[in-house]
Amino acid sequence: IAGITQAPTSQILAAGRRMTLRCTQDMRHNAMYWYRQDLGLGLRLIHYSNTAGTTGKGEVPDGYSVSRANTDDFPLTLASAVPSQTSVYFCASSVGSGSYNEQFFGPGTRLTVL
Amino acid sequence: GQNIDQPTEMTATEGAIVQINCTYQTSGFNGLFWYQQHAGEAPTFLSYNVLDGLEEKGRFSSFLSRSKGYSYLLLKELQMKDSASYLCAVMDSNYQLIWGAGTKLIIKP
Repeated sequence: IAGITQAPTSQILAAGRRMTLRCTQDMRHNAMYWYRQDLGLGLRLIHYSNTAGTTGKGEVPDGYSVSRANTDDFPLTLASAVPSQTSVYFCASSVGSGSYNEQFFGPGTRLTVL
Repeated sequence: GQNIDQPTEMTATEGAIVQINCTYQTSGFNGLFWYQQHAGEAPTFLSYNVLDGLEEKGRFSSFLSRSKGYSYLLLKELQMKDSASYLCAVMDSNYQLIWGAGTKLIIKP
């Protein structure tokens, strides 16, 4: 593994189903983030984690949950998917959560909820 | 509310110079970032400004005026591979990034 990876690459999901998007980084970064990107809108923060064992809510957390059991992994779960959750999801990480901390992004997961 | 504004789309000619503007209104300011995103790919970091002035990095430069809530990204000697979206993001008082919708830059030969 080099950098930050996400799985699956893409997924079509029936509404009401539960889905977990996986994110793993091997850079030993403390902070991790989940964003969604929709056409015509900027990236929007869903949840974040400043360090293993802690998580926080971003701008659009409803319908999503996260956990951070260790430094490397930061899964995002949709408990009961709805069509409005159709989006491209990016996981990102940074060394820390302070002012100058470049975020490194995974390749994204394209999710379609029907 | 918090707001980042940048043009939706710009067109420029290969070899030329283009300036992409970004204006922002945020609750607090802990720096401004520019990212590049090619179609279907992840954003990648270009530059960071926290003090007023110009930061130069090769063909790319970024300028910040905190008093005006304004930044620009300057791309020189444009190449076809520079065709991408350019995202402006401001780190607010909670150290969270607020993102603009991005500027799609089209380079013509």
